[in-house]
Amino acid sequence: KAGVTQTPRYLIKTRGQQVTLSCSPISGHRSVSWYQQTPGQGLQFLFEYFSETQRNKGNFPGRFSGRQFSNSRSEMNVSTLELGDSALYLCASSFFESYEQYFGPGTRLTVT
Amino acid sequence: GESVGLHLPTLSVQEGDNSIINCAYSNSASDYFIWYKQESGKGPQFIIDIRSNMDKRQGQRVTVLLNKTVKHLSLQIAATQPGDSAVYFCAENFHTGGFKTIFGAGTRLFVKA
Repeated sequence: KAGVTQTPRYLIKTRGQQVTLSCSPISGHRSVSWYQQTPGQGLQFLFEYFSETQRNKGNFPGRFSGRQFSNSRSEMNVSTLELGDSALYLCASSFFESYEQYFGPGTRLTVT
Repeated sequence: GESVGLHLPTLSVQEGDNSIINCAYSNSASDYFIWYKQESGKGPQFIIDIRSNMDKRQGQRVTVLLNKTVKHLSLQIAATQPGDSAVYFCAENFHTGGFKTIFGAGTRLFVKA
């Protein structure tokens, strides 16, 4: 069974631009969560989607948004990029209500 | 590989010794506690979890202990191997409609051969 895939793996953007990251969960998994990982703040929860509905959101500004499609694939968008948005963005999927999350390799976003 | 954290607490152990990684959590309403392992350049990998109504759970070479009185979680790795070198995160899961996972700061484990 293929694992969680994230595209692109690396991205360089300029301040003020926007970016869209994509996540394909493991087949059959319906819950997708997104995390931001930085050396200073560690792993921080962004949001969780299940059956195309955002069920939970972390403490991030409205510039961070996401969505989930009917095939469970998910995207997250960051608008008006700031230097502090430079981070590794991780996507994780789980089957239904399982707490066992499977993480993708992440997208490394650099904002210059 | 990519750096997970530049200033993480580090535990250095000799190959074959047992390792104990500790974690303090904050939310009394957490349903599950989970340990993840993250190797350089990879996403976190699930190791073991424990329900909030348990105090101990064993897996293959790993044991998780939960002390709810002092909000403390530990991961014990028996006969530590070089392949165990990684950053270890504890995480707490709780339901608020959907579920939400809060990660601890992480501990870097370095295994000396």
